[in-house]
Amino acid sequence: GENVEQHPSTLSVQEGDSAVIKCTYSDSASNYFPWYKQELGKRPQLIIDIRSNVGEKKDQRIAVTLNKTAKHFSLHITETQPEDSAVYFCAAPQGGSEKLVFGKGTKLTVNP
Amino acid sequence: SQTIHQWPATLVQPVGSPLSLECTVEGTSNPNLYWYRQAAGRGLQLLFYSIGIDQISSEVPQNLSASRPQDRQFILSSKKLLLSDSGFYLCAWSRQINTEAFFGQGTRLTVV
Repeated sequence: GENVEQHPSTLSVQEGDSAVIKCTYSDSASNYFPWYKQELGKRPQLIIDIRSNVGEKKDQRIAVTLNKTAKHFSLHITETQPEDSAVYFCAAPQGGSEKLVFGKGTKLTVNP
Repeated sequence: SQTIHQWPATLVQPVGSPLSLECTVEGTSNPNLYWYRQAAGRGLQLLFYSIGIDQISSEVPQNLSASRPQDRQFILSSKKLLLSDSGFYLCAWSRQINTEAFFGQGTRLTVV
């Protein structure tokens, strides 16, 4: 089955710095890799996703990179702002199934 | 547009009591449905997922069960709650494999 490892578990940066969160997955058949943001007391929401036919995707200050050979993908946030403070989750489906497995989350704190 | 409803928002139950959490989705048909549990400071643990009525996969052996009596209704139940069942329970849906998952508001369950 799919196993998703996420690092670091906590990350503290100064406003304006970049933040990088990394995930590895085990199922080589996985082909969809979403990232979710969960603000305190709220539900997780998708912020960006990438499919296995591309290596990088950007949306303003957020980017995701994928290395299928190494089975890892990363979330990059540039010019961080205090409102970026939240818990971020990566996820990957067990290849060929609807089973969506999440990492354990990264608590990002952006200090003003 | 599609919406997901999950209730109740908070629940305090004594040990040994039964549990029933309900989730319904509107505006779509034959969604994939999920139940996740989020313990304090931890990640999203997949409990059950369903690709259709009476098609439910259980991911973690425990005293919880799930049912899908209607296409857009997903119910999480327990006959006798344990202290360890406390946590934040999230229902989610997706249209199909490898697409965005939309989460409900969550239920904060405290077993006392």
